[in-house]
Amino acid sequence: NAGVTQTPKFRILKIGQSMTLQCTQDMNHNYMYWYRQDPGMGLKLIYYSVGAGITDKGEVPNGYNVSRSTTEDFPLRLELAAPSQTSVYFCAGGEGGATEAFFGQGTRLTVV
Amino acid sequence: TQLLEQSPQFLSIQEGENLTVYCNSSSVFSSLQWYRQEPGEGPVLLVTVVTGGEVKKLKRLTFQFGDARKDSSLHITAAQPGDTGLYLCAGAHTSGTYKYIFGTGTRLKVLA
Repeated sequence: NAGVTQTPKFRILKIGQSMTLQCTQDMNHNYMYWYRQDPGMGLKLIYYSVGAGITDKGEVPNGYNVSRSTTEDFPLRLELAAPSQTSVYFCAGGEGGATEAFFGQGTRLTVV
Repeated sequence: TQLLEQSPQFLSIQEGENLTVYCNSSSVFSSLQWYRQEPGEGPVLLVTVVTGGEVKKLKRLTFQFGDARKDSSLHITAAQPGDTGLYLCAGAHTSGTYKYIFGTGTRLKVLA
């Protein structure tokens, strides 16, 4: 079972470059989330979606954009990369409520 | 603003010792989850608690949700090296949509 798949696993960006972090799930989850995790820290919610066509901001949305055109895909876009965006990014899917969130393996992004 | 504070931040103990990790907030949560994260992986759910005062056990791990649903604790009995990892609590509010906010994390190392 693939579950939640993130690509790429690693990426180095130069300041000012843009990129899209891909996230796809095959579990038919309505809810999808993007988190970032700085070294040794917990996760901070960037954006989330409760279904196709619906997205909302989390705790730290500045500098990021998302879209949810299908149930399966929830890409995260960085338009002008900054060193402060160096982090590990995790995508997760779930059904909301008191149910489990299933995480991808993460994308390690370095902005230099 | 970090809504969920975990303590301690770091913990290094000998195999066989007991320990307790705390997750505290000034907010009331409708449910609270505990995850464990291994290096290079996404978090994996350990337990979900939804009722104030609820206690759940998972082998040597005991989880408690505070009566007021603002705090939680994780107690590990007779810790083993396999318990080493980053422990994260995550709380959800039912203000319209479910979005889980993660705590600051507790990094546990159990020495053989």
